[in-house]
Amino acid sequence: SQELEQSPQSLIVQEGKNLTINCTSSKTLYGLYWYKQKYGEGLIFLMMLQKGGEEKSHEKITAKLDEKKQQSSLHITASQPSHAGIYLCGAGNDMRFGAGTRLTVKP
Amino acid sequence: DAGVIQSPRHEVTEMGQEVTLRCKPISGHNSLFWYRQTMMRGLELLIYFNNNVPIDDSGMPEDRFSAKMPNASFSTLKIQPSEPRDSAVYFCASRDDGGARETQYFGPGTRLLVL
Repeated sequence: SQELEQSPQSLIVQEGKNLTINCTSSKTLYGLYWYKQKYGEGLIFLMMLQKGGEEKSHEKITAKLDEKKQQSSLHITASQPSHAGIYLCGAGNDMRFGAGTRLTVKP
Repeated sequence: DAGVIQSPRHEVTEMGQEVTLRCKPISGHNSLFWYRQTMMRGLELLIYFNNNVPIDDSGMPEDRFSAKMPNASFSTLKIQPSEPRDSAVYFCASRDDGGARETQYFGPGTRLLVL
């Protein structure tokens, strides 16, 4: 199965600051998914990346998949308290996930 | 569409009791996943079905756990007997694998507490 490592495990930023979360795979990724989870709630789909070098944006969140398709990054520009939560990357037909990155945004 | 539906949303039971969690996937989706989430272990895949057939159950903790998918619109995850260490949030998710790689959608989860 595909092992996904996320970094950092947790992140505390001041509102307005930019931040990056990384997801690294032990194998080539043929579809990398980013989800966000607020405490006590289900996972909300953010973006899916399939092609090497692909980049997608939604509002202030940008996700990239490197050319080798083994690493993805999620970048948030001008963070807001509404961005707080746990960000998870998932991949594989069996859709296994990394351990998640817990983001806190201080107003 | 109502999305993935899970019931109950909360369950409190005593050790040794049988617990049954239910999931209704999104209509037309042919893959269904059960996950367990805890602070210590994160989000773990327990089992996933494709066209109602279990494909990978390597994540099922032990014989106390069983999952069934009798038809395309319903699945159950049963724990018998339950133990305090089973306390967690259990998520069901579904996906349409009929064509191009699609998005997987999650239900709201069942929060289980075993006393």
